[in-house]
Amino acid sequence: AQSVTQLDSQVPVFEEAPVELRCNYSSSVSVYLFWYVQYPNQGLQLLLKYLSGSTLVKGINGFEAEFNKSQTSFHLRKPSVHISDTAEYFCAVKIRAGNNRKLIWGLGTSLAVNP
Amino acid sequence: DAMVIQNPRYQVTQFGKPVTLSCSQTLNHNVMYWYQQKSSQAPKLLFHYYDKDFNNEADTPDNFQSRRPNTSFCFLDIRSPGLGDAAMYLCATSIGPIYEQYFGPGTRLTVT
Repeated sequence: AQSVTQLDSQVPVFEEAPVELRCNYSSSVSVYLFWYVQYPNQGLQLLLKYLSGSTLVKGINGFEAEFNKSQTSFHLRKPSVHISDTAEYFCAVKIRAGNNRKLIWGLGTSLAVNP
Repeated sequence: DAMVIQNPRYQVTQFGKPVTLSCSQTLNHNVMYWYQQKSSQAPKLLFHYYDKDFNNEADTPDNFQSRRPNTSFCFLDIRSPGLGDAAMYLCATSIGPIYEQYFGPGTRLTVT
């Protein structure tokens, strides 16, 4: 069965520091990969996605992620965070095969950016 | 701007009193999803529609029903809300099964 593991439940970081939020998945088939951000009391917003092509994906708000097939990872990075990046971040995967329409979600990583 | 709209943003209902949450979209997407999200948890898929084709998750309680009268609208009906149904309910859409999902702002349901 497919699963998504976000290795850190909470990541505290100082403003303007770099950050990496880690995501690993287990799947015997190819997947599509997504990162979403959720601000308090709001819905989820797509940060970036990997469907195919270049393994380095750039998203909104200065975030990027790299798909590593051999390590089954899709870590999210930002070189310099702002206070406004404080939010919950979710990694999600969808298997490529068939008509599966379901996203498999990680448990989320809470990013706290401190001044 | 094309978007996913959920009304109301906050809903209070009494234990056992039926409640309906609504979702509309201007994206003209084929697929609409309903998720339940409890505090500090990932969203949990309840069901989805691919056009008019309804797909229920195996562990979605019978207490939860959904209607999609047309492409733009989708409703979540909770027939007899319990205290455990208090949560954020998220509606999402996608153009097709393999594509990313676009989320509405959510409806926070309180059960008293």
